[in-house]
Amino acid sequence: EVQLLESGGNLVQPGESLRLSCAASGFIFSDYAMSWVRQAPGKGLEWVSYIGPDGDNTKYADLAKGRFTISRDNSKNTLYLEMNSLRAEDTAVYYCAKGPGSGRKTINAWGQGTLVTVSS
Amino acid sequence: DIVLTQTPLSSPVTPGQPASISCRSSQSLVHSDGNTYLSWLHQRPGQPPRLLIYKVSNRVSGVPDRFSGSGAGTDFTLQITRVEPEDVGLYYCMQATQFPPCTFGQGTKLEIK
Repeated sequence: EVQLLESGGNLVQPGESLRLSCAASGFIFSDYAMSWVRQAPGKGLEWVSYIGPDGDNTKYADLAKGRFTISRDNSKNTLYLEMNSLRAEDTAVYYCAKGPGSGRKTINAWGQGTLVTVSS
Repeated sequence: DIVLTQTPLSSPVTPGQPASISCRSSQSLVHSDGNTYLSWLHQRPGQPPRLLIYKVSNRVSGVPDRFSGSGAGTDFTLQITRVEPEDVGLYYCMQATQFPPCTFGQGTKLEIK
């Protein structure tokens, strides 16, 4: 069974930094692309960033370019999101997501999410 | 970026009755490889989303056959033949044909009357 367990969410002040982690299990982590998707309180889903299976191909939504960095450690089956210069509008539940990859080209599995709150 | 527009935004349904949700894309979702990467997700209150259907009409293992997806090009539909109480929540369409970014519809709230 695929399991994705996020951690690292917290209350931070505007301008501060935070690193999210996602521990993956139940599948061969190094074979799959991964993403971060966020959901602001009471709002819809918003894709944030993507990383290929090897970690050499990364993509970002405009909202994340220059501020967020996605990375992975395949030896630890762990996905990361480094977030800098956080703003109030970054307040959201951040989901670790499996995909989109080749084949189905969709997001096959989601973690439970970790809450990031940016407020002074 | 491709914009996905869902209708209705809210759908009150009597258990046992059908429900239908539309997802219209601002551009064709046919990929250069011939596939159409349009998916449907379900999110129960307080839960993460769950994949129901991928590539327009392919149901994920374990998803009841009362759920079906159809459509082509820019117009897509999720149908539930007989709504059950556990079907409440938000439904999202998602496209990954033109990636990045993958984009989502704004969500449709299914409520039980």
